[in-house]
Amino acid sequence: GENVEQHPSTLSVQEGDSAVIKCTYSDSASNYFPWYKQELGKRPQLIIDIRSNVGEKKDQRIAVTLNKTAKHFSLHITETQPEDSAVYFCAASIQNNDMRFGAGTRLTVKP
Amino acid sequence: GAVVSQHPSRVICKSGTSVKIECRSLDFQATTMFWYRQFPKQSLMLMATSNEGSKATYEQGVEKDKFLINHASLTLSTLTVTSAHPEDSSFYICSARVRADTQYFGPGTRLTVL
Repeated sequence: GENVEQHPSTLSVQEGDSAVIKCTYSDSASNYFPWYKQELGKRPQLIIDIRSNVGEKKDQRIAVTLNKTAKHFSLHITETQPEDSAVYFCAASIQNNDMRFGAGTRLTVKP
Repeated sequence: GAVVSQHPSRVICKSGTSVKIECRSLDFQATTMFWYRQFPKQSLMLMATSNEGSKATYEQGVEKDKFLINHASLTLSTLTVTSAHPEDSSFYICSARVRADTQYFGPGTRLTVL
């Protein structure tokens, strides 16, 4: 089955700096890669996703890149703000199948 | 995005009792819903996949007789934790699948078993 690894487990940046979180997956058939943001005690919120037919997707300060050959994808947050502080999860799935999550990255943005 | 609700948000029960958690898709129909368990500071662990009108598919190591799942309609799935014990205390989150891949999560239920 699919195995998703996520790094780093914790990340601390200064406000205004960029943050990068990386994930690798094992099943080459995976074709959908979402990123979720979870604040303490709350539900995971979908912030961006990418499908295997594109290599990069951007939404304001958030971007995701996908390298299918290497089986890794990354989340990039630019101009970080304190409200970006949360736990971020990557995931991978094959269409119509269940989703496997990475272990999570706790991002702290220091003002 | 699609809205998923979950009820109750918190529940405290005595050991040995059963607890039912409801997951509803409010503005769309979901043929497939998922149930996850999350321990503090850990990731989301898939427990089972709930399919409307058929039996749930459980992940390895999840006891189907302990975690009963019923997906009776296209907008409602329920998880019943039977004979709950303190080790069942956790954050339970459901999600509903929209289209072929995207999942939206409910707000979660924090279960505490005394």
